[in-house]
Parts: sequence; C-alpha cells; structure tokens
Amino acid sequence: QVQLQESGPGLVRPSQTLSLTCTVSGGSISSGSYYWSWIRQPAGKGLEWIGRIYTSGSANYNPSLKSRVTMSIDTSKNQFSLNLTSVTAADTAVYYCARVIFPFFFDYWGRGALVTVSS
Amino acid sequence: DIQMTQSPSSLSASVGERVTITCRASQDISSYLAWFQQKPGKAPKSLIYGASSLQSGVPSKFSGSGSGTDFTLTISSLQPEDSATYYCQQYSRFPPTFGQGTRLEI
Repeated sequence: QVQLQESGPGLVRPSQTLSLTCTVSGGSISSGSYYWSWIRQPAGKGLEWIGRIYTSGSANYNPSLKSRVTMSIDTSKNQFSLNLTSVTAADTAVYYCARVIFPFFFDYWGRGALVTVSS
Repeated sequence: DIQMTQSPSSLSASVGERVTITCRASQDISSYLAWFQQKPGKAPKSLIYGASSLQSGVPSKFSGSGSGTDFTLTISSLQPEDSATYYCQQYSRFPPTFGQGTRLEI
C-alpha cells in the first residue's frame, strides 16, 4: 500500500521560504498516471489545495498561492517537494501531501506536518 | 472558486444508529464529489469518489449519493471508531475545494 510522509522544518521565520518534502513508499512515484499534491489546513480551518505535480515535472498551482509556490519532483528519490516563499503567520498550517488520481481525487494522504511561521 | 457547504457542522449519535451528512456545491459539479474521513493525528482517509463509488477497502456502511449540487454521505451501524471529522471535496472545476467539515461524535 502506498504511504506518504511529509518532512521539513517545523518553524519558519516570516518572509522566509517554507520547504517541505514528501517521501513516497510502497510504490514508485513514476508508476501509473498519478499526480502528486500538497494541501494545507490552518488550525481550526478548512482544507486548502496548494498544487499538484506530475512525474514529468509539469505543475499546476492554486491561483491564490501561485505567485509564491513552486513544486518539484525527484523520481530517483521517490520524493516531491514544496517551496512557499515570503511566508507570513497566515501560512501557519498542517501541510499534507497526497497522491492524486486525475483530475483531483486524493486517494492517499500523508499524516501531515505542522509548520509554524513565527519570529 | 466553487464553494462547498456542509451541514451540520457537528453532530452526536449513538452506537448502532445511522447518520447523514449533507454537502452542497455553489454550482453544478455533476458527480465529481469525494468524501474523506479525518481523525486527529492521522492521515485523512478517502471514502468515496464520484459521489457514490466506494474507495477500495472502505466498508459498505459508508455510502454516498447525489449529483449536481446536493450530496449526502450516510454512515450506518455507527461504532465508536467512526468518530471523526468528515469532509466533502469537489473536483469538477479548478481549483479543487473542500467543505468546512462535519465533526461526528459517537
């Protein structure tokens, strides 16, 4: 069974870049016609889709975050990553990675990583 | 963006009962609707896709229905382990959006 695990710093300073990595196990990130996504959830709030990336490196982002988001994929390591620039306290959230069945059905999720933006 | 509205926001039920959660889309999404279960500290779990198709491995006590703008998730024979927050999500239009969640207490 596919498993996803988020990793990265739990604390990021305001105006800096938030960087997270999702490691996929139980299957190759390159196999099948899957996309790979990031989703976040601020405390006490709803889920917000951030973006998705295909094994080719082609990515789509939520227009609300597009100017600050970059995703990348490393098939040799079975990982994909998220970079979110110029963070503020509003970016404090639990960040989830997920596998995507086209177009946007998230069938497997990671447990999530809490990232706090604070000085 | 398409707005997804769930009701109720929370509910309490007893073991063995059946509950229904409603999700309404701000515009027609056909059957591009999924349901998820989220428990504290655990990965969200997909339950249903295509409004009514059960994800592999999900027990048949979970069922979904609806199309267009109105959808329901029904959970029968409630057990304590069904206590969780349930979310709907549309994937008809870009970007995908989620409901605000329904907290179910058994």
